[in-house]
Amino acid sequence: DAGITQSPRHKVTETGTPVTLRCHQTENHRYMYWYRQDPGHGLRLIHYSYGVKDTDKGEVSDGYSVSRSKTEDFLLTLESATSSQTSVYFCAISDSPYNEQFFGPGTRLTVL
Amino acid sequence: GIQVEQSPPDLILQEGANSTLRCNFSDSVNNLQWFHQNPWGQLINLFYIPSGTKQNGRLSATTVATERYSLLYISSSQTTDSGVYFCAVERSGTSYGKLTFGQGTILTVHP
Repeated sequence: DAGITQSPRHKVTETGTPVTLRCHQTENHRYMYWYRQDPGHGLRLIHYSYGVKDTDKGEVSDGYSVSRSKTEDFLLTLESATSSQTSVYFCAISDSPYNEQFFGPGTRLTVL
Repeated sequence: GIQVEQSPPDLILQEGANSTLRCNFSDSVNNLQWFHQNPWGQLINLFYIPSGTKQNGRLSATTVATERYSLLYISSSQTTDSGVYFCAVERSGTSYGKLTFGQGTILTVHP
């Protein structure tokens, strides 16, 4: 299995607080992605990275920011969490945009 | 954006049965992948298959890019095949692996 970890695995927070989720990989893959999974919406791309300090928006990026200061880490930040951001967040990695994506175990975030 | 439709939405099988899952997409693609999400939530990549046919054990997949569909075949199903199967694509013209997922097919295999 690809070496991908996500932290924390579960988090409960309150509306208006900042939250940072971390994705860490040991595969030295160039491409990293953040998705959210919600009932009725499937998985949707939030942000992606195609190299260190190279990031761009996905389909549902409002309210989220990302940073990638080194190859192995991709951080997702909710500047001021809202209840609509309650979801399961998945990180994925790939060595190429034309190859398989491998997913981390997910982070379940609840915003009260 | 590109639309991805999967059918059937739900499928119930007895162990040992075969099944075919379908993925239709609305535009040309340069990336198509099939995933299995197990009952514990883990997403497993099954195939990267933007065109052609691949096989991996009891699973095989075929993508006919010119007709904008892909099929996932599961033979001799086992209870461990239960879960949700997702098809995901990236529209041609982009090249970052920005996948759009279908809604999934929920497969339940009874012993």
